Amino acid sequence: DVKVTQSSRYLVKRTGEKVFLECVQDMDHENMFWYRQDPGLGLRLIYFSYDVKMKEKGDIPEGYSVSREKKERFSLILESASTNQTSMYLCASSLMSGSGEKLFFGSGTQLSVL
Amino acid sequence: SQQGEEDPQALSIQEGENATMNCSYKTSINNLQWYRQNSGRGLVHLILIRSNEREKHSGRLRVTLDTSKKSSSLLITASRAADTASYFCATYSSASKIIFGSGTRLSIRP
Repeated sequence: DVKVTQSSRYLVKRTGEKVFLECVQDMDHENMFWYRQDPGLGLRLIYFSYDVKMKEKGDIPEGYSVSREKKERFSLILESASTNQTSMYLCASSLMSGSGEKLFFGSGTQLSVL
Repeated sequence: SQQGEEDPQALSIQEGENATMNCSYKTSINNLQWYRQNSGRGLVHLILIRSNEREKHSGRLRVTLDTSKKSSSLLITASRAADTASYFCATYSSASKIIFGSGTRLSIRP
């Protein structure tokens, strides 16, 4: 089975801190995604990547950046955390670019920014 | 931007009954997917239906797709306590993004 691992289950940070959320997948998937999930808003796409060193903005990229130096790892970076970035962050991967195939999700990171 | 919108937002039924959730979307799609999320966890893929398909089954799940009405439904038959979760539809379009709706919270009463 595909495993998508997010480095932290819960994280508490202070306003202004630089925050790194790490995600690793073990099935050689090309595509990786970062979503945030807020009550009543569903999942909103922050950034995605179809290949190493490649990234594309999703619907809500402001305040975030990403890094994909290796195929299996996709990092989400909050340059200067703010309270409105308190949320559940979900990483996902899928097999092939442009195929629209199913996503495999990690367990999520609940981030609280104080 | 929200592509899929689920209806109802919340649903509570007795164990053994059938549960039906609906999803409407706005633009043309290549496929539509349904996912389940247990409280505080990641999402799990349930079923994928392509735009040229009208109905698909997987175990106790039945999904229909009506591209003329831009809508889909998920039917869970003979519900069990373990089916308690949130259910999301997600659409995939030529813009190469998978976009999720806001979900239906399903509660199964014993």
